[in-house]
Amino acid sequence: AQKITQTQPGMFVQEKEAVTLDCTYDTSDPSYGLFWYKQPSSGEMIFLIYQGSYDQQNATEGRYSLNFQKARKSANLVISASQLGDSAMYFCAMREVNFNKFYFGSGTKLNVKP
Amino acid sequence: ETGVTQSPTHLIKTRGQQVTLRCSSQSGHNTVSWYQQALGQGPQFIFQYYREEENGRGNFPPRFSGLQFPNYSSELNVNALELDDSALYLCASSLAREWDEQYFGPGTRLTVT
Repeated sequence: AQKITQTQPGMFVQEKEAVTLDCTYDTSDPSYGLFWYKQPSSGEMIFLIYQGSYDQQNATEGRYSLNFQKARKSANLVISASQLGDSAMYFCAMREVNFNKFYFGSGTKLNVKP
Repeated sequence: ETGVTQSPTHLIKTRGQQVTLRCSSQSGHNTVSWYQQALGQGPQFIFQYYREEENGRGNFPPRFSGLQFPNYSSELNVNALELDDSALYLCASSLAREWDEQYFGPGTRLTVT
């Protein structure tokens, strides 16, 4: 089974609107961390947000929030008030703490329209 | 504070050759991880080094090996290059146990012909 699944290869959103990027995960490790990264066309990988498996509250970082639903094994990224500069590839990732392995999804390409 | 740097930026090698890629960690970081990102795909975890010891490994064959030095810089070595090894190789540094602060370098683009 895939460790990280991102089912949206590409998405469009209008500038200033909110958008949700989907991510589901699969692990038997009770201790894990979930991450979202942004990769612009220039190639650098930029950390956006982190959620630990034991965190009770959803993580937020500025315009980014992570909708963590543990029972459903989902960790969706919500970007509020989209900006043109948000156009990029977005990757969901997971670290299995006890197994010390790290997995990335296949990514979602977000295009923000003016 | 210096960020993560990688060298070289681009590299072209022939099938069967060996290659060494280098990564300099962010100041103060003692953990480095390496990833392979094929075109149009997400990165795949190769391995992680913590204080000069391998500390986790993904599903890569033994011809992928690494080193971490006392100054926490790192090398990725790939022997017997195959065409499928063509990819962007990313390294990321962090403080151990603080994976929310994993900083990536700009990557090395390897082309195997």
